[in-house]
Amino acid sequence: EDQVTQSPEALRLQEGESSSLNCSYTVSGLRGLFWYRQDPGKGPEFLFTLYSAGEEKEKERLKATLTKKESFLHITAPKPEDSATYLCAVRAGANSKLTFGKGITLSVRP
Amino acid sequence: GAGVSQTPSNKVTEKGKYVELRCDPISGHTALYWYRQSLGQGPEFLIYFQGTGAADDSGLPNDRFFAVRPEGSVSTLKIQRTERGDSAVYLCASSLGSSRGEQFFGPGTRLTVL
Repeated sequence: EDQVTQSPEALRLQEGESSSLNCSYTVSGLRGLFWYRQDPGKGPEFLFTLYSAGEEKEKERLKATLTKKESFLHITAPKPEDSATYLCAVRAGANSKLTFGKGITLSVRP
Repeated sequence: GAGVSQTPSNKVTEKGKYVELRCDPISGHTALYWYRQSLGQGPEFLIYFQGTGAADDSGLPNDRFFAVRPEGSVSTLKIQRTERGDSAVYLCASSLGSSRGEQFFGPGTRLTVL
């Protein structure tokens, strides 16, 4: 069974304080690791897809990396508007569905 | 272009009633997915359509849940004899294809069963 574990559950940062969010996964035949951002009362918003170990993608203050066991979402000099829940998900094997972690709630104080 | 839309945004019903939740995917997207999200949890897969057919319904919790997509576009999730445990946010997503395409989510329908 595919498993996704995200840590920490919650993270509080000061504006400008860089940090990383972790996503550990156990799957058989990874066919994509996905990062989403979710604001309260909204649906998940797509950020990145990573397909193979060593791959990296960047968007503004966010950078996602992938190894064979985990992915990191690095946030550089965060701003209060980066406050949200960040979800990690995997697609594996012959499945088309995504298996999600519980998410990491990020709060950035001004 | 327009994203995935879902109606209603909120639905309050009584235990034992029947409800229908609607999803309108992004135009041209052939794959459509339903997920359910409880408070403090990530979305959990329910069912996936490729075109008009349900390609994977392994996430439906029991036979009270059913979904259709008769013309390969709009989908309806139907829940019979609702229970309080069905209360959650029901999310719909669509993608260009099933193999590698990113899934784009709608805003969700918040279902509350009293």
